[in-house]
Amino acid sequence: AQSVTQLGSHVSVSEGALVLLRCNYSSSVPPYLFWYVQYPNQGLQLLLKYTTGATLVKGINGFEAEFKKSETSFHLTKPSAHMSDAAEYFCAVSGGFNKFYFGSGTKLNVKP
Amino acid sequence: GAGVSQTPSNKVTEKGKYVELRCDPISGHTALYWYRQSLGQGPEFLIYFQGTGAADDSGLPNDRFFAVRPEGSVSTLKIQRTERGDSAVYLCASSKNLAGGLTDTQYFGPGTRLTVL
Repeated sequence: AQSVTQLGSHVSVSEGALVLLRCNYSSSVPPYLFWYVQYPNQGLQLLLKYTTGATLVKGINGFEAEFKKSETSFHLTKPSAHMSDAAEYFCAVSGGFNKFYFGSGTKLNVKP
Repeated sequence: GAGVSQTPSNKVTEKGKYVELRCDPISGHTALYWYRQSLGQGPEFLIYFQGTGAADDSGLPNDRFFAVRPEGSVSTLKIQRTERGDSAVYLCASSKNLAGGLTDTQYFGPGTRLTVL
């Protein structure tokens, strides 16, 4: 079975500060991992995904995430937050048969 | 090009009524997913279509929920005898279903907000 845990339903950072959103997963098969972003009144949009190969994955808008199998983690980072990064972020895992499991989301607030 | 569209954007109904929610996927996407997102939660898988057939409907909560995709494009999620607990945002996503679909990028619609009074 697969599941995702996102630590921190709300994260607040200052503009220009490091963004770190945490995601831990559980999977009985080699996982494929995703981060999606949801802006208000918009659909979820893919930020990045890990399938195979390089464990450090770069996505859009300067975000990246590192797959750490030993820690069962896939944390999302961005070196310098922008006001436009304020949104809700979802981590997801797919483990088989086209079924995807999402975490409960982390709302990122960026303070000026 | 056009993204995934969902209609209506909002639906308010009374307990016990029947509702239909529509999803228009991106043209050429063979895979289509329905999710339900309750307040403060992430999307919860309901059903997955590959073409016209429901390849996995294990996420449907009970037999009041049903979905169809008769021509392999537009899909309709149908909810009978609605209950207040059905209130949520219903999301649709589509993907090209390359390489078996597990690594596909899903493209989400904006969702339909269902409120059952």
